Amino acid sequence: TQLLEQSPQFLSIQEGENLTVYCNSSSVFSSLQWYRQEPGEGPVLLVTVVTGGEVKKLKRLTFQFGDARKDSSLHITAAQPGDTGLYLCAGDSNSGYALNFGKGTSLLVTP
Amino acid sequence: DTGVSQDPRHKITKRGQNVTFRCDPISEHNRLYWYRQTLGQGPEFLTYFQNEAQLEKSRLLSDRFSAERPKGSFSTLEIQRTEQGDSAMYLCASSLASTTDEAFFGQGTRLTVV
Repeated sequence: TQLLEQSPQFLSIQEGENLTVYCNSSSVFSSLQWYRQEPGEGPVLLVTVVTGGEVKKLKRLTFQFGDARKDSSLHITAAQPGDTGLYLCAGDSNSGYALNFGKGTSLLVTP
Repeated sequence: DTGVSQDPRHKITKRGQNVTFRCDPISEHNRLYWYRQTLGQGPEFLTYFQNEAQLEKSRLLSDRFSAERPKGSFSTLEIQRTEQGDSAMYLCASSLASTTDEAFFGQGTRLTVV
């Protein structure tokens, strides 16, 4: 199993601030996905990154895949209370079948 | 088809009872996954199907757990002789086999064993 380390584990910020969360591994991934999960719900796919160095933008969210495809970051600009949730990164396993998830970053944005 | 659906959403059972959960994937998706998630953790992989074939099982999946996908469409996850440690959110996801293999999740079944 390839271990995905996410940091920070918890983050509490005020509306309007910027933030970056990280997803790191010692293994190379063919692709990496970011999900957001709200309490009591399943994770919702935000983006998939495939190419080393790739940058994808989704409104105020910017995702980057490391050049070596071992790490990724998610940057949120001008955070809003609606961004509150658990942000999970996931990558393919050694077997190539199942996604392995990090423990997530729990984000709280207060008005 | 609006996405992956899971039934029931919530289940409370007494220790020692058997429970069965159902997952209906997105109709054209040939891959189906079961995950378990406890508070403060990311989803942990349990098992994976491609069509009707169960291709991978996690070591987390004890002998009390069994999953089926008889016709390559819906899947069931059964837990026999439930224990308090089985209390968790059970998530189902599906995907269409591709190089990126993006998985789409259902809303989960919250199991509480009392």
